Amino acid sequence: DADVTQTPRNRITKTGKRIMLECSQTKGHDRMYWYRQDPGLGLQLIYYSFDVKDINKGEISDGYSVSRQAQAKFSLSLESAIPNQTALYFCATSDSGAPNREQFFGPGTRLTVL
Amino acid sequence: DAKTTQPPSMDCAEGRAANLPCNHSTISGNEYVYWYRQIHSQGPQYIIHGLKNNETNEMASLIITEDRKSSTLILPHATLRDTAVYYCIVRVVNTGNQFYFGTGTSLTVIP
Repeated sequence: DADVTQTPRNRITKTGKRIMLECSQTKGHDRMYWYRQDPGLGLQLIYYSFDVKDINKGEISDGYSVSRQAQAKFSLSLESAIPNQTALYFCATSDSGAPNREQFFGPGTRLTVL
Repeated sequence: DAKTTQPPSMDCAEGRAANLPCNHSTISGNEYVYWYRQIHSQGPQYIIHGLKNNETNEMASLIITEDRKSSTLILPHATLRDTAVYYCIVRVVNTGNQFYFGTGTSLTVIP
């Protein structure tokens, strides 16, 4: 969905490096999410935020941190990247006022940690 | 937490109906069933959702059993562009409306 953008789209880094993945949305949604997808598996929730002052851990938050700089921006950081964090990362948004609670996903960031 | 079980893969002939089953036997009364699909490694795309009644939209139909322990997504006339991984998801409403994705069903539409 073009309304949810992620940067970078691809990143190769080395073990121990600090990495930040960024997500921006123009949908005006209040809720934002970060997911991780390993090959052949479904998505796992890392962190989610219901508004700028609200940050919550998901299923697999260890090794990650997030920042909600504004309603439209939600960034994910890997403080010290390790090879098993190699995965596809997706950002998503949703509108708490929408009856169907649909989540809209970005195009993904493919991260490789060497 | 309610989880879902889906067959890992299915084939369907082009033009025929694709029926994708999902088991969610531990679902609670206020938890919704959602279906998303993912084409290649793109971001998942919403298809449909429901609580206890059957639902239909322009993309698909969702049939939920009366006991809510299972559901079926129906693509009425599958096309090659419907080849994707389909995820049946339970939305947990008590703590943050989180989505729990399973491993999904890889649907291949055959010409």
